[in-house]
Amino acid sequence: AQSVTQLGSHVSVSEGALVLLRCNYSSSVPPYLFWYVQYPNQGLQLLLKYTSAATLVKGINGFEAEFKKSETSFHLTKPSAHMSDAAEYFCAVSSSYSSASKIIFGSGTRLSIRP
Amino acid sequence: GAVVSQHPSWVICKSGTSVKIECRSLDFQATTMFWYRQFPKQSLMLMATSNEGSKATYEQGVEKDKFLINHASLTLSTLTVTSAHPEDSSFYICSARDRDRPNTEAFFGQGTRLTVV
Repeated sequence: AQSVTQLGSHVSVSEGALVLLRCNYSSSVPPYLFWYVQYPNQGLQLLLKYTSAATLVKGINGFEAEFKKSETSFHLTKPSAHMSDAAEYFCAVSSSYSSASKIIFGSGTRLSIRP
Repeated sequence: GAVVSQHPSWVICKSGTSVKIECRSLDFQATTMFWYRQFPKQSLMLMATSNEGSKATYEQGVEKDKFLINHASLTLSTLTVTSAHPEDSSFYICSARDRDRPNTEAFFGQGTRLTVV
C-alpha cells in the first residue's frame, strides 16, 4: 500500500520568505510523486512530478521539490513566496504512470502568505 | 495540456433525489477515470476507479449502490448519487490519464459542488 503524510496542515510565511511544505511517503515499490495546488472551489493543478529521472524536480510558478529516498521525503520549496501562492497544496503518490494507476493524496497543507 | 471537463460545476438538489455528474476527457481517451470526494478543508478521498466497458472498482467503505458509476465510452464517465441526503453534500472531482501517452500525469476536472437540501 502507498501513502503520503503531509506535516503541518497550515503553514504561514511572509511575502518574499522561503516556502517549505513537507511530505513523506510510504511505498513498497518505487514511487511516482506529485505536488498539486488547489485554489478555492477549483480542481487540482499539477505543480511538479517526480519521475525518477532526477531527484531535484522543478515545477511551475518557481516551485521545486527534492526526492530523498533515504528520508522517504519529497518536500516542496519556493525561494520567495508571493501573495498568489496562497492555496491548498497536496502531495500525492502513485505506483506507476500507467493510466490505470490511482493517485493517493496526502491530507493537504494550507499555505497562507502574510503581507 | 489535456483537459478534463466536469458538468455541472455546482448543483443543488432536494433530499431523496438523484444527481448525475459527468466527467469528460476533451482531447484524449481514458480507459480509466477516477472519482474523488472532498469535504471542506479536507483532502481528496478516492471513491472509485471507473473502467471503460466494465464495472467500477470501489474503495472500501464506499457504497456502490449509492454512488453509481458508468463509463460507457473512452471519453465519458458519470457518477450518479442516488437518493441523495444532506451528508452527501461535498465537492466531487474526477481525474483521468491519457491512455495513449504513458508517463504523463493525471488531469483533473474542475470539480462539482453538490449541495443536498
